[in-house]
Amino acid sequence: SQTIHQWPATLVQPVGSPLSLECTVEGTSNPNLYWYRQAAGRGLQLLFYSVGIGQISSEVPQNLSASRPQDRQFILSSKKLLLSDSGFYLCAGQPDSLNSPLHFGNGTRLTVT
Amino acid sequence: QKEVEQNSGPLSVPEGAIASLNCTYSDRVSQSFFWYRQYSGKSPELIMSIYSNGDKEDGRFTAQLNKASQYVSLLIRDSQPSDSATYLCAVKRGGGADGLTFGKGTHLIIQP
Repeated sequence: SQTIHQWPATLVQPVGSPLSLECTVEGTSNPNLYWYRQAAGRGLQLLFYSVGIGQISSEVPQNLSASRPQDRQFILSSKKLLLSDSGFYLCAGQPDSLNSPLHFGNGTRLTVT
Repeated sequence: QKEVEQNSGPLSVPEGAIASLNCTYSDRVSQSFFWYRQYSGKSPELIMSIYSNGDKEDGRFTAQLNKASQYVSLLIRDSQPSDSATYLCAVKRGGGADGLTFGKGTHLIIQP
């Protein structure tokens, strides 16, 4: 079965600093991968998804970017963090058919100060 | 605009009773439907999937789907304090790889 690994679990960063969050997948090859953000009091917002190496689709224009350098690696980055980037960042994978559910990693709680 | 609507709650249910959670969605072409449970500070975990009209039972959980009414529900029988969490309804349009659209969740409290 598929396992999603995310780190770090918590992160406190100053405004204007860079960000790199990494997600790796075990137990499946060529999964669809997703980055979601959950801000306080809000629902899960899809940020990026990827169907394969080097293939990134962006759902929300903002100062974040994503990359998929390897089949089982998905990275979320920012050059300069904003206060509004604070939130709970979740990586998810979809192993099989396009109608199968997503499985989430444990998430990274980011606080921008 | 893809939307998934849930009552935010809190929904308070006595221990041992049936908890009923509801969700409506706006996109008629939606094909796959999921319920996730999220404990405070944790990531969502999948508890039920449903793809066709009718009921689907798994232990104490029953998911109900009515595509004509664009309505999905989750029933939790014999509610336990450990069921206290936020329940997220998620919808997949089908066809593309653009993920799931989530509702904001219903906060469920099971009172001992």
